[in-house]
Amino acid sequence: GAGVSQTPSNKVTEKGKYVELRCDPISGHTALYWYRQSLGQGPEFLIYFQGTGAADDSGLPNDRFFAVRPEGSVSTLKIQRTERGDSAVYLCASGRTLYNEQFFGPGTRLTVL
Amino acid sequence: KQEVTQIPAALSVPEGENLVLNCSFTDSAIYNLQWFRQDPGKGLTSLLLIQSSQREQTSGRLNASLDKSSGRSTLYIAASQPGDSATYLCAVTQGGSEKLVFGKGTKLTVNP
Repeated sequence: GAGVSQTPSNKVTEKGKYVELRCDPISGHTALYWYRQSLGQGPEFLIYFQGTGAADDSGLPNDRFFAVRPEGSVSTLKIQRTERGDSAVYLCASGRTLYNEQFFGPGTRLTVL
Repeated sequence: KQEVTQIPAALSVPEGENLVLNCSFTDSAIYNLQWFRQDPGKGLTSLLLIQSSQREQTSGRLNASLDKSSGRSTLYIAASQPGDSATYLCAVTQGGSEKLVFGKGTKLTVNP
């Protein structure tokens, strides 16, 4: 595809449930990033992958959050035991290599009731 | 800890006006700075990327400048149009880190 895609575009879940958010980066991009954006705020970094490995996961808020990228392309952000405070837009970005321009997907809006 | 501030938080101008959006950052040890546009309910569109060794970048009616030593960047939009209405975000990449640190954005409204 031409750009970064994310599915689903919207996800509504109940408190305590498990959710998975998917990101398909631009073909050939080795770097993949996850950010979270709350209303009225700028995006906040969660985790960064270079290839298959998580090079920096310092932004993950707690151990309920986990992300994988098993084949170095598609990534899944997993949230266990969701809480209302997890409600936000989750953005994925990809880039060619270190310190290059980051290209963002449309985001997944997560609502935890 | 790097902090990015954008002023003003909101700006409303008549069509055709030239305008400047400001971005400041507290730690000058950045690798690059990126300006983005975000339309309501949408993701981010990259507008300009300035490497730390550069002073400015231009794309069409947009010009971004960077003064790394003073921790400032400006985005200049010439001859604004209603289609320019959006939130503009700036973000920096810290040296030694891949993550972007964002400001809260400036919400721009261009009135016809």
